[in-house]
Amino acid sequence: DAKTTQPPSMDCAEGRAANLPCNHSTISGNEYVYWYRQIHSQGPQYIIHGLKNNETNEMASLIITEDRKSSTLILPHATLRDTAVYYCIVRVAGGTSYGKLTFGQGTILTVHP
Amino acid sequence: AAGVIQSPRHLIKEKRETATLKCYPIPRHDTVYWYQQGPGQDPQFLISFYEKMQSDKGSIPDRFSAQQFSDYHSELNMSSLELGDSALYFCASSPAPRETQYFGPGTRLLVL
Repeated sequence: DAKTTQPPSMDCAEGRAANLPCNHSTISGNEYVYWYRQIHSQGPQYIIHGLKNNETNEMASLIITEDRKSSTLILPHATLRDTAVYYCIVRVAGGTSYGKLTFGQGTILTVHP
Repeated sequence: AAGVIQSPRHLIKEKRETATLKCYPIPRHDTVYWYQQGPGQDPQFLISFYEKMQSDKGSIPDRFSAQQFSDYHSELNMSSLELGDSALYFCASSPAPRETQYFGPGTRLLVL
């Protein structure tokens, strides 16, 4: 699976948009970009994923660059409860892999009042 | 919506004892994954099962074994426990291999 690079920490004011970048310059054509978050020792929570196109759901938006070498997770209106470690994970979509997730360092997002 | 259930939520054991962790996947999910998260570390993949067969293996110690049963629940058996086994153990399930994984709340294991 492709390696990802994320900033170790970011701050955001409550009510503002949080934009979390992820670099995955070695991504392959059959690899998805997944985002999970972990709130203080709870189980990782799935947020969103995408292959080539931008995606949006009730939690967030995912913007993937045209060359697929980087992406940005957008939390449109951050709240204090969004304070968590955010993981960007590249995962193969097919082949012999059964889809294990490889967690990297992640970004600690702190939302301030 | 139903989520992944893990039991027990907390477990305290002595060194050299054994422990069994259980995972009940979301209904109609046939794939189960186990992850270990040590203190201050990121989750690490241990092992996965699809249709009751081991499908992938990560950095799981030989002292650990796991299986998936006919009702798709899974158990992680840990023997000869060591202090370093103290960690959070997460189970995740997906409706099929390579589909989105959904995690349970975890089991916190403390080995004394």
